[in-house]
Amino acid sequence: DTAVSQTPKYLVTQMGNDKSIKCEQNLGHDTMYWYKQDSKKFLKIMFSYNNKELIINETVPNRFSPKSPDKAHLNLHINSLELGDSAVYFCASTLSGTGGVFGPGTRLTVL
Amino acid sequence: QQQVKQSPQSLIVQKGGISIINCAYENTAFDYFPWYQQFPGKGPALLIAIRPDVSEKKEGRFTISFNKSAKQFSLHIMDSQPGDSATYFCAAIVGSRLTFGEGTQLTVNP
Repeated sequence: DTAVSQTPKYLVTQMGNDKSIKCEQNLGHDTMYWYKQDSKKFLKIMFSYNNKELIINETVPNRFSPKSPDKAHLNLHINSLELGDSAVYFCASTLSGTGGVFGPGTRLTVL
Repeated sequence: QQQVKQSPQSLIVQKGGISIINCAYENTAFDYFPWYQQFPGKGPALLIAIRPDVSEKKEGRFTISFNKSAKQFSLHIMDSQPGDSATYFCAAIVGSRLTFGEGTQLTVNP
């Protein structure tokens, strides 16, 4: 059984479009995250939700909007996509204060 | 401001050798220090972790050494194998915030 799953795995789209990435975890963890990994492989936290409540909101353009319908799901919606949004986006989940379990990533390419 | 600094950026080791990756942190509130291994096209996977009240933790060929006074910790991979070739990230946690180092690309030559 997949612990943290993301869909889609690949996303290719035109500048200006709106797209969503979905994440689900079946680990019973209470905290979920979105991370962005750039071309230099640096992992930067974007958002974190604890039991559906937003607890970390880094300096991210407000074109990015996370939504957590329940504590097992965390989705990321991106409006008006730009070239610089091209990256790999990882969802992760954790029990507070411990290391996270990461999903397989979504490679977003904006043309 | 990068709160967790990792070195080297890349490392080449011969099969059977010891790989050593170092990290330094600034925030003394960090209370959990995991290491992640990432293969191309995959998500980071938790490898080993340590809490600051312990100076060393060993799991198989992987050992974390932790120096609280120096605010440094390191990953040692003994008997390095070509299958260990991957990117390694140190990280530090306080509360729900996980902060990563910049990553080390490890190549183990056969």
